[in-house]
Amino acid sequence: GEDVEQSLFLSVREGDSSVINCTYTDSSSTYLYWYKQEPGAGLQLLTYIFSNMDMKQDQRLTVLLNKKDKHLSLRIADTQTGDSAIYFCAEGPGRRALTFGSGTRLQVQP
Amino acid sequence: SAVISQKPSRDICQRGTSLTIQCQVDSQVTMMFWYRQQPGQSLTLIATANQGSEATYESGFVIDKFPISRPNLTFSTLTVSNMSPEDSSIYLCSVIRDRGNEQFFGPGTRLTVL
Repeated sequence: GEDVEQSLFLSVREGDSSVINCTYTDSSSTYLYWYKQEPGAGLQLLTYIFSNMDMKQDQRLTVLLNKKDKHLSLRIADTQTGDSAIYFCAEGPGRRALTFGSGTRLQVQP
Repeated sequence: SAVISQKPSRDICQRGTSLTIQCQVDSQVTMMFWYRQQPGQSLTLIATANQGSEATYESGFVIDKFPISRPNLTFSTLTVSNMSPEDSSIYLCSVIRDRGNEQFFGPGTRLTVL
């Protein structure tokens, strides 16, 4: 079955860039998503990328997709303390339920 | 985005009882899902809520334990039946608008079973 893996924890200093990585196994994954979950809150969709793209940029967020290696990354430029949260990678075939990674806890130190 | 509300936002329940969670969307959507997030874990799909027909359950989830209703295209309920402490989780509904591929989530219902 599908599997999505992420590292569990990342710590960065305020102002640095953060890079959160994700690998997936399903070759038919058409859409890959990044969600943010703050403590006690639901999931906020940050961005998503279609599998025929290799990069997408949205303000401080850059998503890179290496389809050959099935590797997805989320780069947050100029990381702020408000970026501290759990970040989930998810994949799906489009207009279907998603398979989620375990989440990466990002800690931003002042 | 989509405006999704869930009720209740949280509850503490006794084992053996049942809780019904409501999910309301601000516009009609065909695709609606229910997920569970156990403490410190990722999200697991429970079922797809189908309007006008029975929900489609994932492996490990059964209708008797998690009955789902979908009376129209803006509303769904998930019932957690005969609860045990292992059911303590956050339950989230999500939708995909009829145009687009973004999946949006409700704020979740945090359930604690004693």
